[in-house]
Amino acid sequence: QSALTQPASVSGSPGQSITITCTGAPSDIGGFNYVSWYHQHPGRAPKLIIFDVYNRPSGISNRFSASKSGNTASLTISGLQADDEGDYYCSSHTTTTTLVVFGGGTKVTVL
Amino acid sequence: QVQLVESGGGVVQPGKSLRLSCATSGFRFAPYGMHWVRQAPGKGLEWVAGISYDGTKTFYADSVRGRLAISRDNSRTSLSLQMNSLRVDDTALYYCVREGRIVGATYFFDSWGQGTLVIVSS
Repeated sequence: QSALTQPASVSGSPGQSITITCTGAPSDIGGFNYVSWYHQHPGRAPKLIIFDVYNRPSGISNRFSASKSGNTASLTISGLQADDEGDYYCSSHTTTTTLVVFGGGTKVTVL
Repeated sequence: QVQLVESGGGVVQPGKSLRLSCATSGFRFAPYGMHWVRQAPGKGLEWVAGISYDGTKTFYADSVRGRLAISRDNSRTSLSLQMNSLRVDDTALYYCVREGRIVGATYFFDSWGQGTLVIVSS
């Protein structure tokens, strides 16, 4: 069982917006601004799309936005496109016995 | 550009050992913390281990502590993962990953290799 909880799947039509939530605890998401998000296409390595809660790396579209409230982080994809399909993972620093925890992943489908 | 190339994966029996390597290029290796992240077949990502830029600090997931050991050689710009007492549930694709910055606390990974597959089976 993952330390961070994500919905198993989210879907939307092209052009729509979708939001993926990531729920943790005060020891991880709630306690730090170290939430990151990754997008993984099938058979490919994950790619960083958000770091430190809401920051986008260079080259990442502004269609990706993120935020945090309490123990829950959220990733919103606006103007959904076919290439946005794949798995999305949230991650956070944690003060438990490990250092970094990931969510279980959310499969995004563009209808 | 940044390149991380893992090697050393394979099929191994439970209880045996394996050593993974990650050859890096395209960036100054020494200032960056490095990590291993794994992904079991059809499953999600799991952080495994991390090492500070100078190798003085190491960190491990509970599931591997005491069995896996991360190390680095800054002169060879390489990262390693010594895997001992392997278990069936260690079966996964192991990714070598780079921390996203060299200054300040960093818990995100901006560069990933393509992974090396470890299969633990009798």
